[in-house]
Amino acid sequence: GNSVTQMEGPVTLSEEAFLTINCTYTATGYPSLFWYVQYPGEGLQLLLKATKADDKGSNKGFEATYRKETTSFHLEKGSVQVSDSAVYFCALKGGSEKLVFGKGTKLTVNP
Amino acid sequence: GAGVSQSPSNKVTEKGKDVELRCDPISGHTALYWYRQSLGQGLEFLIYFQGNSAPDKSGLPSDRFSAERTGGSVSTLTIQRTQQEDSAVYLCASGRSGSGETQYFGPGTRLLVL
Repeated sequence: GNSVTQMEGPVTLSEEAFLTINCTYTATGYPSLFWYVQYPGEGLQLLLKATKADDKGSNKGFEATYRKETTSFHLEKGSVQVSDSAVYFCALKGGSEKLVFGKGTKLTVNP
Repeated sequence: GAGVSQSPSNKVTEKGKDVELRCDPISGHTALYWYRQSLGQGLEFLIYFQGNSAPDKSGLPSDRFSAERTGGSVSTLTIQRTQQEDSAVYLCASGRSGSGETQYFGPGTRLLVL
């Protein structure tokens, strides 16, 4: 079945550091890929998505590129801020409508 | 516009009691999903409704769990004879159907079974 594996945290960075959170997937066919974010005390929000190979999703300075050849969708940001502290979830939607999530990566950014 | 709303926000119950969790999706969204978020299992799909089609119940963990969606809008997730392992945050999401369509999540109901 479909599955998502993402880098387990926690990840702690200083402000303005470069961020990468790795995400790889296993799926039949051509899934859509998503990054969701959960800020402290808040619900899950879509951060970005890509629906086909080589698409790049971007939002709030975050980017991720759908790489079919490596089955990856790594999340990157060039310069993190304290306000980026949250839990990040990689997810895919394949042949069925349900989202399959990775286990989440907790990011803490220190000033 | 209004997002997905869920009630109650918190629920504490005793083992063996039944609970009902409610979800109001975004107006116009035909697809509605329930997920569960727990420390041990992460985010798990429970059930999916699309229009008038039969729901996809493949994620329901046992026959104590059921859900309905009335009039294509509001949904209720019912857990009968609750167990301590049912303690989790229950998340509802709505969206338009389609592989690339975004699911919009509600704030969740935090359930604690004592």
